[in-house]
Amino acid sequence: ETGVTQTPRHLVMGMTNKKSLKCEQHLGHNAMYWYKQSAKKPLELMFVYNFKEQTENNSVPSRFSPECPNSSHLFLHLHTLQPEDSALYLCASSQDWRSTDTQYFGPGTRLTVL
Amino acid sequence: KQEVTQIPAALSVPEGENLVLNCSFTDSAIYNLQWFRQDPGKGLTSLLLIQSSQREQTSGRLNASLDKSSGRSTLYIAASQPGDSATYLCAVHTGKLIFGQGTTLQVKP
Repeated sequence: ETGVTQTPRHLVMGMTNKKSLKCEQHLGHNAMYWYKQSAKKPLELMFVYNFKEQTENNSVPSRFSPECPNSSHLFLHLHTLQPEDSALYLCASSQDWRSTDTQYFGPGTRLTVL
Repeated sequence: KQEVTQIPAALSVPEGENLVLNCSFTDSAIYNLQWFRQDPGKGLTSLLLIQSSQREQTSGRLNASLDKSSGRSTLYIAASQPGDSATYLCAVHTGKLIFGQGTTLQVKP
């Protein structure tokens, strides 16, 4: 596979469930990102990882827990979410977190919290 | 605080028309500005990236301009086609990407 892949593509969960989103990049990049895209709102940066180290947490609630075991994989662990957390969650990667080159985005996971 | 605004929010045109999408930002201290395309329920695809020192970039039927001093960028699409129907997002890079809300374009056959 090439580019940035995300699984699952769609996820429906209850407020008491625990689930995880997975992102994998095949571009040899060192930085990975989680974004949230809600209806009627601009994309919001959630987390940034560079060489597996978290470099930015954009005031995200603790019910979202990221994990980056290596430069190619990024997870977002979800627990006790709220209905307002329903959104499209996008993963992206770039050569380096300081790089101003373009970021490459995955197709997203559409999350619905009941 | 950097804010990015895109006007209009939605646009519908007949096939073949030339059109302009607008993007404005409040702080001129940017590294670059990018235009992305997003198809429904999909991720983002980078269309054009303009460095802060550049005035414009072209790719096929697309031309993007940047006026950093006035905080404005435009995306010009020539001879629009139904396949151009998508949401177009503008983002400025300030150390991280700050996005506008997008313009949803519909090109009718």
